[in-house]
This record gives sequence, C-alpha cells and structure tokens, in this order.
Amino acid sequence: QLVLTQSPSASASLGASVKLTCTLSSGHSSYAIAWHQQQPEKGPRYLMKLNSDGSHSKGDGIPDRFSGSSSGAERYLTISSLQSEDEADYYCQTWGTGFRVFGGGTKLTVL
Amino acid sequence: QVQLVESGGGLVKPGGSLRLSCAASGFTFSDYYMSWIRQAPGKGLEWVSYISSSGSTIYYADSVKGRFTISRDNAKNSLYLQMNSLRAEDTAVYYCARAPLGAHIDYWGQGTLVTVSS
Repeated sequence: QLVLTQSPSASASLGASVKLTCTLSSGHSSYAIAWHQQQPEKGPRYLMKLNSDGSHSKGDGIPDRFSGSSSGAERYLTISSLQSEDEADYYCQTWGTGFRVFGGGTKLTVL
Repeated sequence: QVQLVESGGGLVKPGGSLRLSCAASGFTFSDYYMSWIRQAPGKGLEWVSYISSSGSTIYYADSVKGRFTISRDNAKNSLYLQMNSLRAEDTAVYYCARAPLGAHIDYWGQGTLVTVSS
C-alpha cells in the first residue's frame, strides 16, 4: 500500500528558506507527487507537480519562491524568502489506478 | 478562469442522504477527470472518489464504498456526489477538484460543509 509520510510541523523565520519533505513508502520511489498549500480557513491550492527526476511544473500564479526537487523516495518543497502568507498547511498527493493518496500534511509556522 | 463551485452541503441526521453538486466553468469540463476530497474538522485531506472524463471509470475510497455514488453531466458541466447512509464520521468539508489526465489535482473548489449529527 502506497503511503506518503510528512513531518507534522516545521518552522522558519521570515525571509529565510525552508525545505519540506514528503516520503514515498517502500517500492514506490518512482511516483510523481503534487504539492498543495492550505492557508488558514481556506481551501487547498495546487502548487506544483513534482516528478521523480526532480522536474516540476507549477500551477498558475505560483511564485518563483516555490520550487521542488527529488531524491530517491523523497520529494521536497522548498520555499525561499518566506513571507507571512506562507504560513499554512502543506500536503503532498500521489495517484495511481483506482486510488489517490494524501500525506498527513505539514503545518508551517513562519516566525 | 477555472472555477469550481460546490453546493448542497448541510446538516443531516445519521442514516440520512445528501447530494452534493459542483458547477464547473472556465475550462472544457468533458476533458478532465474529477475528484471529490473531504477534510474532517481539524484533520487532513482524504480522497473520496474520482471519475474519468467520460464517466466510464469510477473509483471510491474504502471508507465510502457502497454508500456514496459519484457521477457527472458533461452537458451541464457538473459533478455530483450522492451520499447515502451517512455517519458521524462523514462530517467534513467536501471539495470538488479537477485532475488533468487523471493524475494530480490542479484546481480545487472552495468546499461545502456536510455535518452528520442527530
């Protein structure tokens, strides 16, 4: 069974960078994922699709401050020049025939 | 611009039924897979169901299989979720979402709240 694992929380200072991690379960390291952001009291917003080779395609209007990378079964979301509005929950998501899976989410606090 | 607008949420008693709708605009609805995803209060995202662009392929999460039915009307640019035998644990905000090529989600609706309580 495919499982996506995320750390429950992360924090970084205003103006700094942060790297969030999504780990694919054993045997599933070739899967692409998507990153989604959910600001407080809002619906989710698609950030990007991230492939196993690290190539990624971002959603409409997503700033250059958001980037993705991959290494083995790990998928990363890096946010640079952190702003207050980046404080949000971040979810990774993957898919296959007959299923869609979300990670548990990482709550990012901007200090 | 792409818009997905859910409706039909509300308060329903355990064992009751509810039908959610999602009105799509700003894109060719019949070209895209669509999904329903839910989020219980204070919890993470949970995939519920998806349907292919033609409606011929449908899948459900185990937690709703046999109780929920997804459907679409491409002529009306609309997605539906018929929810029967509702339980307290079905209480959540339900989101409609678009999925290009049946893969990742690239647009989300604003959600509609379903509360199952006596």
